[in-house]
Amino acid sequence: AQSVTQLGSHVSVSEGALVLLRCNYSSSVPPYLFWYVQYPNQGLQLLLKYTTGATLVKGINGFEAEFKKSETSFHLTKPSAHMSDAAEYFCAVSPFGNEKLTFGTGTRLTIIP
Amino acid sequence: NAGVTQTPKFQVLKTGQSMTLQCAQDMNHEYMSWYRQDPGMGLRLIHYSVGAGITDQGEVPNGYNVSRSTTEDFPLRLLSAAPSQTSVYFCASSGRREDADTQYFGPGTRLTVL
Repeated sequence: AQSVTQLGSHVSVSEGALVLLRCNYSSSVPPYLFWYVQYPNQGLQLLLKYTTGATLVKGINGFEAEFKKSETSFHLTKPSAHMSDAAEYFCAVSPFGNEKLTFGTGTRLTIIP
Repeated sequence: NAGVTQTPKFQVLKTGQSMTLQCAQDMNHEYMSWYRQDPGMGLRLIHYSVGAGITDQGEVPNGYNVSRSTTEDFPLRLLSAAPSQTSVYFCASSGRREDADTQYFGPGTRLTVL
């Protein structure tokens, strides 16, 4: 069984400030981990993924995430928030590749001008 | 490439009616899946398919049927709609699942059941 917990359903940061979105997972096997972004009235778009190897993963739009096995975490960060980052972000886990993803409940990111 | 397309974009049904949500992809992807998105619950997997002729259940399959007769198409059928099926439905596809290839999501179908 697998599960994902995203701490904070709403996060607000000032433009130019650090973005930190938290994700903790539970998995009985080595996990595959993903972050997706959803803009209003659109489908989801992959930001980044962890499969194996390097634990610091870089994605699109300046985002990155670090896989920490000891903490069962995969937090998403961006050094400097931009207004265009306002969206909903979902963390997901899979036991095998991209099959049977389990999603977290999402974090809505608001950017304050 | 059109990517992943879904029709219709919006649909209103009465309780007990049936309908099919269409999903098609033109990327020759082997893996396709259906999710429903409800407020505060994220996305939940309904059914998935690892190739033509092969389907399996996800987390919330009750009340839904799928088939995969071609690589391109993966329709989702609601047999007898219920208000609990009011949701936004997303179809997704990807290539090599063992490589965790990117899943591409369609734009969604917003379904309301009265």
